[in-house]
Amino acid sequence: EVQLVESGGGLVQPRGSLRLSCAASGFTFSSYGMNWVRQAPGKGLEWISYISSWSSTIYYADSVKGRFTISRDNAKNSLYLQVNSLRDDDTAVYYCARELISGGVVPFDYWGQGTLVTVSS
Amino acid sequence: SYELTQPPSMSVSPGQTASITCSGDILEYKHASWYQQKPGRSPVLVIYQGTKRPSGIPERFSGSNSGNTATLTISGAQAMDEADYYCQAWDNPTVVFGGGTKLTVL
Repeated sequence: EVQLVESGGGLVQPRGSLRLSCAASGFTFSSYGMNWVRQAPGKGLEWISYISSWSSTIYYADSVKGRFTISRDNAKNSLYLQVNSLRDDDTAVYYCARELISGGVVPFDYWGQGTLVTVSS
Repeated sequence: SYELTQPPSMSVSPGQTASITCSGDILEYKHASWYQQKPGRSPVLVIYQGTKRPSGIPERFSGSNSGNTATLTISGAQAMDEADYYCQAWDNPTVVFGGGTKLTVL
C-alpha cells in the first residue's frame, strides 16, 4: 500500500525556518517525481514545488522561489522541503504528493495527510 | 503565468447531474486533471488526462474538454459526492490549480 507521511510542521515565528519531511513507503520511491502542495486555512490548493525521481529537474512556484528548497534522499525514501524566511501567508497545511506517471509531473495520484505550518509571532 | 477559473460553488439535487467547469487558455492544448477534497481530508484524484478515471473512482465521474474549457461531470450525484473539486493543469515549468468549486448535494 502506498503511503506518504509528512512531518516537521509546527508554530514558527515570521522570518523563521522549518524543514518538512515526507516519508514514502509501498512503492519504488526512486522511480517517481514528487511534489509539495499547500493549502491555507479555508483556501484552495497551491502547488509549490516539484522534484524529479533523481533530482535532475526541480521547479518552484514564483511565490516560494528563493525561499523554499526541495530535495530528496532515495536511499531513505524521503522527500524534504526546507522553508526559510517564513511569512504570515505561508501558514498552511503542506502536502507531499506523488506523480502518477514517471516524469509526467501531473497528475498526483497519492497524497499524504499533510503537516500544518503556522507562522505567527 | 496562467489561470484556471472555476465557479466558486454550485448545488445539485441527489440523482441529478452536476457539471463543474474549468476555463483557461492553457486548456486549449493541455489536459486537465480533477481532484475531490472532503473537509479535513487530503485531495483525491478523480479524473486525469482530461477523460481518464483512476481505478476505484466510480463510473458516475467523467471528464470532457472543449476549446479552453474542461468539464467534470457527476452523473447521478450522491450525498457522498458533496465536496470541493479542483481542476489542475501543467505547463512547463508550472503546475496550476483552479480556485475550487464547492459542490453541495441537497
